[in-house]
Amino acid sequence: EAQVTQNPRYLITVTGKKLTVTCSQNMNHEYMSWYRQDPGLGLRQIYYSMNVEVTDKGDVPEGYKVSRKEKRNFPLILESPSPNQTSLYFCASIGGPLHFGNGTRLTVT
Amino acid sequence: AQKITQTQPGMFVQEKEAVTLDCTYDTSDPSYGLFWYKQPSSGEMIFLIYQGSYDQQNATEGRYSLNFQKARKSANLVISASQLGDSAMYFCAMRRYGNKLVFGAGTILRVKS
Repeated sequence: EAQVTQNPRYLITVTGKKLTVTCSQNMNHEYMSWYRQDPGLGLRQIYYSMNVEVTDKGDVPEGYKVSRKEKRNFPLILESPSPNQTSLYFCASIGGPLHFGNGTRLTVT
Repeated sequence: AQKITQTQPGMFVQEKEAVTLDCTYDTSDPSYGLFWYKQPSSGEMIFLIYQGSYDQQNATEGRYSLNFQKARKSANLVISASQLGDSAMYFCAMRRYGNKLVFGAGTILRVKS
């Protein structure tokens, strides 16, 4: 089954404690992206990757890092999370429409 | 600037009736794509329908149709014969150059029985 797998689904952490949200797709898509969803703002793009070793900033990249060492994986790294990064995060890959993961609800206290 | 506007924060519709969710967009690109996604309370994003900027006909997918008016830069979603399971958040999105997507703020739809 074609899918984008994101983990974890829920994460509660404290300010400053580094965390990684994993994302993997099995559709051999070149383009992958991370979004955050906040009430009243819709989804905003954090980072995207056009292919392996090619990443670029989206609209709200501050406080985030990504890597694309292989085609299927595109992890999102928060080196020092802060409360304003509390949000619902989606990983997605493009092949025709955007295929979304199930989301990660992150709370930073 | 590339932008998507959904002017209806929330909508109510009676079960079995049709409802239109508004979406306007702003772009100077000649080639773009427009999408609608559904987000139920469980949180996942479900692809509903796609319209390409050069498509001559309005897209349809089952009970979903997209009323595409290029000159007015609008891409409204029409849901016919609403069902209780249609209650969700709906996002309009535009794909522009480089596969970047811009999303609207969303519209919450509630279907009443």
